[in-house]
Amino acid sequence: AQSVTQLDSQVPVFEEAPVELRCNYSSSVSVYLFWYVQYPNQGLQLLLKYLSGSTLVKGINGFEAEFNKSQTSFHLRKPSVHISDTAEYFCALETGNQFYFGTGTSLTVIP
Amino acid sequence: EAGVTQFPSHSVIEKGQTVTLRCDPISGHDNLYWYRRVMGKEIKFLLHFVKESKQDESGMPNNRFLAERTGGTYSTLKVQPAELEDSGVYFCASSQAVASETQYFGPGTRLLVL
Repeated sequence: AQSVTQLDSQVPVFEEAPVELRCNYSSSVSVYLFWYVQYPNQGLQLLLKYLSGSTLVKGINGFEAEFNKSQTSFHLRKPSVHISDTAEYFCALETGNQFYFGTGTSLTVIP
Repeated sequence: EAGVTQFPSHSVIEKGQTVTLRCDPISGHDNLYWYRRVMGKEIKFLLHFVKESKQDESGMPNNRFLAERTGGTYSTLKVQPAELEDSGVYFCASSQAVASETQYFGPGTRLLVL
């Protein structure tokens, strides 16, 4: 069975500070991994995805994530956050043409 | 290029009533997906269309939910009769291909069943 765990439901961080949003997954087969962001009243937008190759993946808006197979993790990082990064972030895996999402992490950037 | 659109954005109905949600995918996207997020929980897969055919409907909760995609363009998701536990946000997504392909999501329909 496949599952995605986002342990932190809410993450407050001060503007210009670094942030890491954690994601762990469980799967018995190879997976593709994704991070999506949802701004208020909008649909989910793709931040980045890992398909294969380099384990460090760079996405939009200065975000990056590192795939760690041994720890089954795909944590999302940004070295310096902005107010505009306040949103909900979803980690997801795809396998067998199905997506499995985590419960989401609400990032609040404090001025 | 227009994104995925969903209608209505919000719906408040009483238990036992019927509601129909609509999704218009990005033009040319053969794959269309429905998801649901119950408050505070994960986004869960409901079903997947390839053109007008249901490829996978393993996530549909029960037979009160009926999804259609006539002509392989827009899709509707009908809930009849609605129950309290059906409340949540219903997302639609579309993609060109399948495996490893980015899914483009609509803004969701927020359904509240009273």
